[in-house]
Amino acid sequence: NAGVTQTPKFQVLKTGQSMTLQCAQDMNHNSMYWYRQDPGMGLRLIYYSASEGTTDKGEVPNGYNVSRLNKREFSLRLESAAPSQTSVYFCASSEASGPDTQYFGPGTRLTVL
Amino acid sequence: QKEVEQNSGPLSVPEGAIASLNCTYSDRGSQSFFWYRQYSGKSPELIMSIYSNGDKEDGRFTAQLNKASQYVSLLIRDSQPSDSATYLCAVLNRDDKIIFGKGTRLHILP
Repeated sequence: NAGVTQTPKFQVLKTGQSMTLQCAQDMNHNSMYWYRQDPGMGLRLIYYSASEGTTDKGEVPNGYNVSRLNKREFSLRLESAAPSQTSVYFCASSEASGPDTQYFGPGTRLTVL
Repeated sequence: QKEVEQNSGPLSVPEGAIASLNCTYSDRGSQSFFWYRQYSGKSPELIMSIYSNGDKEDGRFTAQLNKASQYVSLLIRDSQPSDSATYLCAVLNRDDKIIFGKGTRLHILP
């Protein structure tokens, strides 16, 4: 039982390049989330998917797109990376949206030059 | 903007003492409250959740909630060096969104 997995663990991009961060969970959870964490800023929600087939914007969605591929997988895409998107990205899942415990993946450390 | 506020620290506490971490929130309609622990370079993990006014104890951890004062706290008794981490307060607001505070760095002095 791997929980929440994320790939890659580290990535360096040049400004303007695109990439997709992958996330998968094996806990049969309905809800999945993408956060970014910056020093002094805490965790900020980028997008979330309350259930398979739905996605919604969080606090900081600009510059990102998401796809809930199926119940297990939720990907985050940067179409044209900018230095301001340098951050640590965490994927999380929960049985349902709302008060349920969120389980976090190990994170992806992204640097945009 | 609905906010969750925490003192960033670092909070230094001697080993064996009680560590007290505090959090205030702005959305009076919030109903669910969480404390996550995050070790340096790792992902957050849930240590306590609390939904009703009063205290909730789990081992060395006690969460306290006062909805009238919009205040939630976490007490760690018999602090150990392994408790050194950043503690994130999270609040589920009336829009069903979880808002995280910026975290308090706790350092337990051996």
